[in-house]
Amino acid sequence: EIVLTQSPGTLSLSPGERATLSCRASQSVDSRYLGWYQHKPGQAPRLLIYGASSRAAGIPDRFSGGGSGTDFTLTISRLEPEDFAVYYCQQYGDSPPYNFGQGTKLEIK
Amino acid sequence: QVQLVQSGAEVKKPGASVKVSCKASGFRFTSYFMHWVRQVPGQGLEWVGMINPSAGTVTYAQTFQGRVTMTRDTSTSTLYVQLSGLRSDDTALYFCARGGWGGAYPFDYWGQGTLVTVSS
Repeated sequence: EIVLTQSPGTLSLSPGERATLSCRASQSVDSRYLGWYQHKPGQAPRLLIYGASSRAAGIPDRFSGGGSGTDFTLTISRLEPEDFAVYYCQQYGDSPPYNFGQGTKLEIK
Repeated sequence: QVQLVQSGAEVKKPGASVKVSCKASGFRFTSYFMHWVRQVPGQGLEWVGMINPSAGTVTYAQTFQGRVTMTRDTSTSTLYVQLSGLRSDDTALYFCARGGWGGAYPFDYWGQGTLVTVSS
């Protein structure tokens, strides 16, 4: 079973700043099967990135993903007020369980 | 457009069972594996399991083995998840989500969530 560890747990930044979130896997993950989600209270999670670096439909280009093997990142180039939320990485490879990381809370500084 | 509409909030006593539904529309129901994910208050997202709506076959997370049952009704494009032997730590928001055909697909559409509260 692959365990995903996200860091930092909480990231405090201001609008306009750049955010870099990390996701580390306990074993190598095929980058085709690594995704990122945004989750706001009272809403359904939203798929941002799939295949480690491909943006889902309708996702602004300030969101980008990268990485390979055991280390992946989500970068938000210039934070907008609506970007403050909790972000999760997930591996969805051929075999379950399709675990999520524990999340990074992005809060306004 | 793709929609996943879940049933309303539930309050159950410890030891009871709960059944949550998720009605799908806007896509071919039997062509996408469907997943259930939960979020315990203050914690992260936890994968519960998945169902192949075409065959009805299921795969559950080990944590829930023996307590969870996922079913579907293809005539109404509705999924169900039933959790038995409820405990206070089953209090959570339960989401259905659409995957792809088989594993190896991200969850691109989600239901609005159903709050299940377990309390005596």
